Amino acid sequence: QVTLRESGPALVKPTQTLTLTCTFSGFSLTTSDLCVSWIRQPPGKALEWLARIDWDDDKYYSTSLKTRLTISKDTSKNQVVLTMTNMDPADTATYYCARTLAGTTLCDYWGQGTLVTVSS
Amino acid sequence: DIQMTQSPSSVSASVGDRVTITCRASQGISSWLAWYQQKPGKAPKPLIYRASFLHSGVPSRFSGSGSGTDFTLTISSLQPEDFATYYCQQGNSFPYTFGQGTKLEIK
Repeated sequence: QVTLRESGPALVKPTQTLTLTCTFSGFSLTTSDLCVSWIRQPPGKALEWLARIDWDDDKYYSTSLKTRLTISKDTSKNQVVLTMTNMDPADTATYYCARTLAGTTLCDYWGQGTLVTVSS
Repeated sequence: DIQMTQSPSSVSASVGDRVTITCRASQGISSWLAWYQQKPGKAPKPLIYRASFLHSGVPSRFSGSGSGTDFTLTISSLQPEDFATYYCQQGNSFPYTFGQGTKLEIK
């Protein structure tokens, strides 16, 4: 079955770089039409789409965050990595990764999410 | 970026009620709209894709409609497990964007 799990630091300091890893199973990112997206949710607030990487290595980013985000994949490890530079307390949120089907644009499987707090 | 606006922001309803949530896009998105359900402390779950197609395993009391800029999610007969927050998301163009959410509460 398809599973995804986010991992990374629970606490980062302002100005630091955040690195999150999404480790997945049950599918391969070498398969046509499959993608992995990152979405975040500040406490008590709405979902915010961050980035997507496709099976063919195409990459897409949030307009407001694109100068700070990098998404990459390691197909041999079934992992997708998201880095966010210059972290700020406003970036405190639960970060989710989700499998995405390019043909429908639906995020059909989600990880449980990981809470990242930005504080000195 | 395409802005997605949901209404209402919150709604109170009773078990058995019919509820409709609206999502409006700031520009036309054809049928590239998805709906998700989220319960507190949990990841969102997919409900609807391409505006009106039910995701696998989702009960038939959920339905979606619309195209262009105006979309609706309807729950035909509310069940206790349906009380949650619902989000729309456009997939017409990057960056994808979500609505602000609609919280469905028990009356």
